Amino acid sequence: AQSVTQPDIHITVSEGASLELRCNYSYGATPYLFWYVQSPGQGLQLLLKYFSGDTLVQGIKGFEAEFKRSQSSFNLRKPSVHWSDAAEYFCAVGSSGTYKYIFGTGTRLKVLA
Amino acid sequence: DSGVTQTPKHLITATGQRVTLRCSPRSGDLSVYWYQQSLDQGLQFLIQYYNGEERAKGNILERFSAQQFPDLHSELNLSSLELGDSALYFCASSARLAGYTGELFFGEGSRLTVL
Repeated sequence: AQSVTQPDIHITVSEGASLELRCNYSYGATPYLFWYVQSPGQGLQLLLKYFSGDTLVQGIKGFEAEFKRSQSSFNLRKPSVHWSDAAEYFCAVGSSGTYKYIFGTGTRLKVLA
Repeated sequence: DSGVTQTPKHLITATGQRVTLRCSPRSGDLSVYWYQQSLDQGLQFLIQYYNGEERAKGNILERFSAQQFPDLHSELNLSSLELGDSALYFCASSARLAGYTGELFFGEGSRLTVL
């Protein structure tokens, strides 16, 4: 069965510092992987997605993620965090077989000035 | 603005009552998903419809039901409400079936409070 694990519930970084949010997935075939961001009081917005090809994908707002099949991971990174990046981040896995689209439990990012 | 509209934005009701949440997908999107977001459970997949037909079911309680109408809007019905049903309910739409697994476009959610 599909599953997504985000091991970090909360992360705090200083503005200007680098960021890495972890995501591990479980899926039998090649997964379709996504990162979404949710600002307070808002719905979720897509940051980036991986379907196939280059394992390093670029997204909006300066984010990137790397797919590592051997580690079943799809970690989100940003070289320099801005205060406006404070939000909740969700990793998700989609399936062409089950039609399900499963989200992790989210990581809440706090940015210190 | 994602183009997905959810109503009502906020709803307060009592235990044992029944409510209906409505979702209008983006123009042209055939797939609608419903999710429940609570503090202790994260974002839980409830159910998915494609062009009026149920295509996938997640952790949806028997007290909950949903449907997608010919005009593609969807409704989520929650009955015999319990305190634990208090949550933010999101609707999302996409152009095709989850098999395409493209981007989901989310509404701003309906916040349900059960007292």
